[in-house]
Amino acid sequence: QLQLQESGPGLVKPSETLSLTCIVSGVSVSSGPSYWGWIRQPPGKGLEWIGSVYYGGSTYFNPTLKSRVTISVDTSKNQFSLRLSSVTAADTAVYYCASRIGDCPRCLPYLDFWGQGTLVAVSS
Amino acid sequence: QSALTQPRSVSGSPGQSVTISCTGTSSDVGGSNFVSWYRQHPGKAPKLIIYGVTERPSGVPDRISGSKSGNTVSLTISGLRAEDEAEYHCCSFEDNYRVLFGGGTKVSVL
Repeated sequence: QLQLQESGPGLVKPSETLSLTCIVSGVSVSSGPSYWGWIRQPPGKGLEWIGSVYYGGSTYFNPTLKSRVTISVDTSKNQFSLRLSSVTAADTAVYYCASRIGDCPRCLPYLDFWGQGTLVAVSS
Repeated sequence: QSALTQPRSVSGSPGQSVTISCTGTSSDVGGSNFVSWYRQHPGKAPKLIIYGVTERPSGVPDRISGSKSGNTVSLTISGLRAEDEAEYHCCSFEDNYRVLFGGGTKVSVL
């Protein structure tokens, strides 16, 4: 069974870069068509899609965050990562990693597997 | 403000039915059947309960159903149970290869 686990600092200073890793177990990130993505949820608010990466390397981003976001896959460690630069208090949220197995880019909204989420606060 | 519009809350008594609407535009919900719904209990990760507007993943009971009319998709929960009390989020593929979420709807079981 595919399992995801977010890892990274819980506190980031304003203007710095937020870096999170999603450790994948139960399946190889490079074994076949699959999408690996990040979603966040500010306290008391709804979900916001940040972006997704296809196992072959194609990336898809929320246009409102695109200029600050990098998502990449590390096949040697079987994990994928998120980097969000120039953070502000508005980036405080629970960050989830999630995945979709299959070759269907229009199926990006169908996220079968989720990590438990990790709270990242932006504060000095 | 979220891209897809959902009511903030709905409520019902055990055994009743509740319906949650999710309204978008012709660029997302109206122009695509790549729409999903998630259930999220407090402090937990979202769980996929509907995809492709009407399809249920394995293990989701048939008292949970989805539908679509124009630019609006709806989620109906029949035979309401205490375990259905949660936040529900709609989600859609958008023309320019991005993903949109609704603001979420809290379902309360009275």
